[in-house]
Amino acid sequence: DQQVKQNSPSLSVQEGRISILNCDYTNSMFDYFLWYKKYPAEGPTFLISISSIKDKNEDGRFTVFLNKSAKHLSLHIVPSQPGDSAVYFCAASARAGGTSYGKLTFGQGTILTVHP
Amino acid sequence: DGGITQSPKYLFRKEGQNVTLSCEQNLNHDAMYWYRQDPGQGLRLIYYSQIVNDFQKGDIAEGYSVSREKKESFPLTVTSAQKNPTAFYLCASSIAYVGEQFFGPGTRLTVL
Repeated sequence: DQQVKQNSPSLSVQEGRISILNCDYTNSMFDYFLWYKKYPAEGPTFLISISSIKDKNEDGRFTVFLNKSAKHLSLHIVPSQPGDSAVYFCAASARAGGTSYGKLTFGQGTILTVHP
Repeated sequence: DGGITQSPKYLFRKEGQNVTLSCEQNLNHDAMYWYRQDPGQGLRLIYYSQIVNDFQKGDIAEGYSVSREKKESFPLTVTSAQKNPTAFYLCASSIAYVGEQFFGPGTRLTVL
């Protein structure tokens, strides 16, 4: 039962262009969403988060959009840089309660490659 | 420098042996977690601890055990009962049980 899905295993983008990474979820109890970036053989690094009371959160080149009715979130990176090449994981949590309370449920990850 | 340390970075063990992975944090975080990552998959929760002397099973706890005797430390033992122990193991911590989790560098365990 994959409650958080990243349907694109990989994405290739030219330097300077926009990267859009997508994530879908099925559990309606999820109300807090995070994006992590991971390099090979390293631990994930927290990038940005969004609460379900918002539909957008920005931090520098990174913007996360949340569409609650579609149970969909996306991470936009503008402009993309070669150093952004990594695996990106979305994660979801239920802060209000339920069986997913507090736990992070991760998607499978999307490998982003930014070409110079 | 505050952070999470995991040791060793690489670990090799023979089949049938128990092995303990270390995780230490000096962030003064209450909650700690263990995840496993397999190729092409996301992170799966093995065990978590909201507070010292307390821990709960995650989604794939079978074949693993943990302890939380100190706030700073959350060691994971991979027992011989774990059918496919070869994986990349990640430890994380957070200020409270609900919030951003910060990860250590990981330990790659290979069982020969």
